[in-house]
Amino acid sequence: GAVVSQHPSRVICKSGTSVKIECRSLDFQATTMFWYRQFPKKSLMLMATSNEGSKATYEQGVEKDKFLINHASLTLSTLTVTSAHPEDSSFYICSARSIESRETQYFGPGTRLLVL
Amino acid sequence: AQTVTQSQPEMSVQEAETVTLSCTYDTSESDYYLFWYKQPPSRQMILVIRQEAYKQQNATENRFSVNFQKAAKSFSLKISDSQLGDAAMYFCAYRSARYGGATNKLIFGTGTLLAVQP
Repeated sequence: GAVVSQHPSRVICKSGTSVKIECRSLDFQATTMFWYRQFPKKSLMLMATSNEGSKATYEQGVEKDKFLINHASLTLSTLTVTSAHPEDSSFYICSARSIESRETQYFGPGTRLLVL
Repeated sequence: AQTVTQSQPEMSVQEAETVTLSCTYDTSESDYYLFWYKQPPSRQMILVIRQEAYKQQNATENRFSVNFQKAAKSFSLKISDSQLGDAAMYFCAYRSARYGGATNKLIFGTGTLLAVQP
């Protein structure tokens, strides 16, 4: 099956620093990747959609200058949380949609971010 | 805009029994996809089952099956012979069959937390 990895799985950082999270599709090429944020016992909130080689499309209310997304290749997208603050602490999940099976998204295992 | 509603925040089932999780959705489109995802305590989202709206036959994956009622806009998940490993949060999701722009998005319900009692 389609496998998506995320790195790191957990990260703790100081307030004001930047954190980069990587999302990789391991056995398929992903034209589109999605970044979600999930609060405890809540549903997934879509932050942005990234298409390989073009700018990401951000959802309303998501600060594009704070959450930088890069989708430089068909297997890698990165989310950088810039100048992180404690309220950015959350669980971040990426998903990818393959070229062959465009109707299904496959999810990464998530990254838990804690900003002190 | 499309919406997905899961009216059962929590459900419980005895091991080996059958449980049905409800999901309703609202859309004006005729062609779309519906999904059930499972999120166990590890928080890894796992695709359980997928249904294409143009197919009348209900999708089945081993112990998991759906009851897709297109006219009623209902998409329930039935888990047969429940196992302890089925305990998880279950999310129903909708996606338009059109491609491009906002239609790329998965629209999730609020989830149903399923407990399996031994």
